[in-house]
Amino acid sequence: SQTIHQWPATLVQPVGSPLSLECTVEGTSNPNLYWYRQAAGRGLQLLFYSVGIGQISSEVPQNLSASRPQDRQFILSSKKLLLSDSGFYLCAWSTAGYQPQHFGDGTRLSIL
Amino acid sequence: DAKTTQPTSMDCAEGRAANLPCNHSTISGNEYVYWYRQIHSQGPQYIIHGLKNNETNEMASLIITEDRKSSTLILPHATLRDTAVYYCIVRGSNAGGTSYGKLTFGQGTILTVHP
Repeated sequence: SQTIHQWPATLVQPVGSPLSLECTVEGTSNPNLYWYRQAAGRGLQLLFYSVGIGQISSEVPQNLSASRPQDRQFILSSKKLLLSDSGFYLCAWSTAGYQPQHFGDGTRLSIL
Repeated sequence: DAKTTQPTSMDCAEGRAANLPCNHSTISGNEYVYWYRQIHSQGPQYIIHGLKNNETNEMASLIITEDRKSSTLILPHATLRDTAVYYCIVRGSNAGGTSYGKLTFGQGTILTVHP
């Protein structure tokens, strides 16, 4: 069966520091991969999606970037974190067509 | 993707059926209805999805009206662990287009199951 892993579960970072969040999927090939962010008390917002290695599309302009160095690995990065980058970051995967997306357990990021 | 409208909150007694409504009057012919739930501090959990026929799995049933403008998620025997925010989402295919199957989450329905 397919599984998705995100780490770390929680992270506290100072303003201006770099960020790297990793997501890996097991048990499937060539999945679509997604990064979402959920601010406190708000709904999920899609940040990036990828349909293949090296293929990244951004949904909203921001201080973050994403990369997909391997088929089942999706990385969310920032060179300098802002206070507004705080939130709950979720990675998701799906196959093509109408199949649902499946989410990881998320990373709760706090910026001090 | 079409927008959805859900009640802000609902209550349900433990052991009873929970019926969560969703309006999606602007749904188009190739869009599916998806239901997710999110328990506090966890990632959203997929529940069920459907196009026009009623669907059932081990978690829930999905009833879609004939005109497809609304649907109801049914949890047949609610437990305390079903307390969560439930999201109804309408979405097209992952394949092609510019959205690649983006899920647009609204505010959802806060379902509280009480003893």
